[in-house]
Amino acid sequence: KNEVEQSPQNLTAQEGEFITINCSYSVGISALHWLQQHPGGGIVSLFMLSSGKKKHGRLIATINIQEKHSSLHITASHPRDSAVYICAVILLSGAQKLVFGQGTRLTINP
Amino acid sequence: DSGVTQTPKHLITATGQRVTLRCSPRSGDLSVYWYQQSLDQGLQFLIQYYNGEERAKGNILERFSAQQFPDLHSELNLSSLELGDSALYFCASSRVLGEKLFFGSGTQLSVL
Repeated sequence: KNEVEQSPQNLTAQEGEFITINCSYSVGISALHWLQQHPGGGIVSLFMLSSGKKKHGRLIATINIQEKHSSLHITASHPRDSAVYICAVILLSGAQKLVFGQGTRLTINP
Repeated sequence: DSGVTQTPKHLITATGQRVTLRCSPRSGDLSVYWYQQSLDQGLQFLIQYYNGEERAKGNILERFSAQQFPDLHSELNLSSLELGDSALYFCASSRVLGEKLFFGSGTQLSVL
């Protein structure tokens, strides 16, 4: 079993829909990243969070440390949001190792 | 533009060869991370340097090595290349440990 699990693996939605991507992990972590990777391959860090909630524009990320779960929400989704979203955790081991989820491929149709 | 520069963007080579991938972090960033992304394994952490010193090691093969130089740029050396080493190699940097990461655009390595 992977230490970091994302769901769903693939998600197709219509423009304007509210999107939720989930990430569950089984290890102790110091923080969690949400990353976005567009078809061209480049990776952008959207959020890094260790507790609570963060918001940037139409994107919201939450984390529940006790439940070992994080969610990424996209409000008023747009075709340009189509990308692979990757959850990655920083292990509590003291080393700055990132362990990645397998990614969620999001497609927003106009 | 993240401010992290990776060269070359594409590299095609043959099995058994050795290549060097280069990463220049954002100005002021002390920490450099290397990742490998392959179709079957997804993204994997390879190694991390902080201010010239190795700080963490992940799934890095013995045929691979890296270093961070005094000017903070980093190089990832891959030797005795195999077909399975074909992947996208990303470098990322952060100002200090545990802060937001900024990724380079990656080096696409094809081993033929």
